[in-house]
Amino acid sequence: GAVVSQHPSWVICKSGTSVKIECRSLDFQATTMFWYRQFPKQSLMLMATSNEGSKATYEQGVEKDKFLINHASLTLSTLTVTSAHPEDSSFYICSALDKSIAKNIQYFGAGTRLSVL
Amino acid sequence: SQQGEEDPQALSIQEGENATMNCSYKTSINNLQWYRQNSGRGLVHLILIRSNEREKHSGRLRVTLDTSKKSSSLLITASRAADTASYFCATVFSNTGNQFYFGTGTSLTVIP
Repeated sequence: GAVVSQHPSWVICKSGTSVKIECRSLDFQATTMFWYRQFPKQSLMLMATSNEGSKATYEQGVEKDKFLINHASLTLSTLTVTSAHPEDSSFYICSALDKSIAKNIQYFGAGTRLSVL
Repeated sequence: SQQGEEDPQALSIQEGENATMNCSYKTSINNLQWYRQNSGRGLVHLILIRSNEREKHSGRLRVTLDTSKKSSSLLITASRAADTASYFCATVFSNTGNQFYFGTGTSLTVIP
């Protein structure tokens, strides 16, 4: 299957700092990427849909100014957690949508574990 | 919430046995997909079933879809210890385009 690279895999930061997470589709162009958040032993919660060249679409309850998303190219989307606080500690996962041959399959990155002290 | 529900939440079986997981959802779907997640890792796509399909097979996996009951099941036959993981169904709804909404997941443990 297609490869999606997510970086970093784990980040520890102090409260109040900002953290940027990158999501890259390595072998296909992804006009649409998604960002999810997952708490321990829970399901993935869709945070936002990232569309190349346009503003991201956020799910209800997700703060746009807190979770900044940039999808500047067909292979890269970034999520910046601004002024992180301990309650932002979570596992963040990105995915890239492969629409080729009408697949409509999301390929996932390995996730980023964020720990805010 | 558009999130689906899965049952059981946890399943423990002996190696070689079959494992069945179920997923229910609430509104009309475009397609339904099953994913697997090993602890602390990203998700791996297993199989996609479209709303006009009733059953699909992929290796030891068998997925069924009953749109009248708004439910799907994933059967893993002849389970192996390496199948130990969490399994999620993801629904793609007709009116939301490409967004996926994940079920609550089933944690499968296969005992060697």
